[in-house]
Amino acid sequence: RKEVEQDPGPFNVPEGATVAFNCTYSNSASQSFFWYRQDCRKEPKLLMSVYSSGNEDGRFTAQLNRASQYISLLIRDSKLSDSATYLCVVRDDKIIFGKGTRLHILP
Amino acid sequence: ETGVTQSPTHLIKTRGQQVTLRCSSQSGHNTVSWYQQALGQGPQFIFQYYREEENGRGNFPPRFSGLQFPNYSSELNVNALELDDSALYLCASSLVSGPTAGELFFGEGSRLTVL
Repeated sequence: RKEVEQDPGPFNVPEGATVAFNCTYSNSASQSFFWYRQDCRKEPKLLMSVYSSGNEDGRFTAQLNRASQYISLLIRDSKLSDSATYLCVVRDDKIIFGKGTRLHILP
Repeated sequence: ETGVTQSPTHLIKTRGQQVTLRCSSQSGHNTVSWYQQALGQGPQFIFQYYREEENGRGNFPPRFSGLQFPNYSSELNVNALELDDSALYLCASSLVSGPTAGELFFGEGSRLTVL
């Protein structure tokens, strides 16, 4: 099993729709979790940290399920500007990125 | 912007050569980590430095080495370059404690081409 696995993409979604990404991790001792977005040929940028109790930032909601070892990201009312690659990150003694899921928002 | 700067932005080397990439961390950040990102892949963790010592390493051979300086800036050195080393090399700075602990702030990267 890979250390961090994300949904294969790309996701092609109409503007205004809700999109959900999932990410599973193999190390139960992992300590912290994040979602990043990366635009084409740019560096990754922090989208949000993922807290045990779940957290929300505007249209974005992140959840952590330690028992099943997965994290999720929900984007509501998607905008054209949400088109990017979404990367999940899991930290233990290493920092492990998923391969990313490409999202295309269609007008 | 993050305040993390990397140099050079682009460079071309030939197989067998050595390369040094540089990174200045965001003000106040004491931890620097380095990543290799091939086209279409997520960033792969190379190593992390905290207080001038390596304190975490991914699955990269010893020809990938680094340094962190007292001002928290860092270098990545790659010896005996191979064609597969062609990639975007990203540096990120972070804190080990506090409410933003572990959040990575990236520079724009150094794009290395090995011919």
